[in-house]
Amino acid sequence: KAGVTQTPRYLIKTRGQQVTLSCSPISGHRSVSWYQQTPGQGLQFLFEYFSETQRNKGNFPGRFSGRQFSNSRSEMNVSTLELGDSALYLCASSAAGATNEKLFFGSGTQLSVL
Amino acid sequence: AQTVTQSQPEMSVQEAETVTLSCTYDTSESDYYLFWYKQPPSRQMILVIRQEAYKQQNATENRFSVNFQKAAKSFSLKISDSQLGDAAMYFCAYRRAQGAQKLVFGQGTRLTINP
Repeated sequence: KAGVTQTPRYLIKTRGQQVTLSCSPISGHRSVSWYQQTPGQGLQFLFEYFSETQRNKGNFPGRFSGRQFSNSRSEMNVSTLELGDSALYLCASSAAGATNEKLFFGSGTQLSVL
Repeated sequence: AQTVTQSQPEMSVQEAETVTLSCTYDTSESDYYLFWYKQPPSRQMILVIRQEAYKQQNATENRFSVNFQKAAKSFSLKISDSQLGDAAMYFCAYRRAQGAQKLVFGQGTRLTINP
């Protein structure tokens, strides 16, 4: 079974631009979560999607948004990029999004904002 | 809100020796899960071990074991017979048993293995 796939692996943008990151979960998994990892703030939860619906959201401004498609693939979008958005964005999937399930992570997308 | 604290930014150990990474957490809930994740240079987070709070027995996975002290809200990871491949960032994480599936992570401990 293929693991969680995130594309692209690296991305460079300039301030004010917008960006879209993609995450393909493990086949059969219906829950996808996103995390932001920075040296200063560490790992922080962005949001979780299950069956195309956002179930939970972390404390991030409205510039951060996401969606999930019927095949469970998920995208997250950041509009009006700021320097502080430079981070590793990690995606994780699980079968049904239950709290006792194991999460499988991808290798992340490294976003640099110049 | 739940918080997770890892007080050791860096640790090092000789190959084949034993090392213990510390983690404390704060929560008002009685039922939850605790995890240790490993993040090697490939950046992928890999689950090392998981502990259910309602279980008194400490979890073990081969060379990895935990010391779970619920009353003290402490959750340390012991790595026995350290191997070069164990070198990575290690994150302690908390997740509620009910509600949101989100993980709350500590700041991480960078583990170096000296040959």
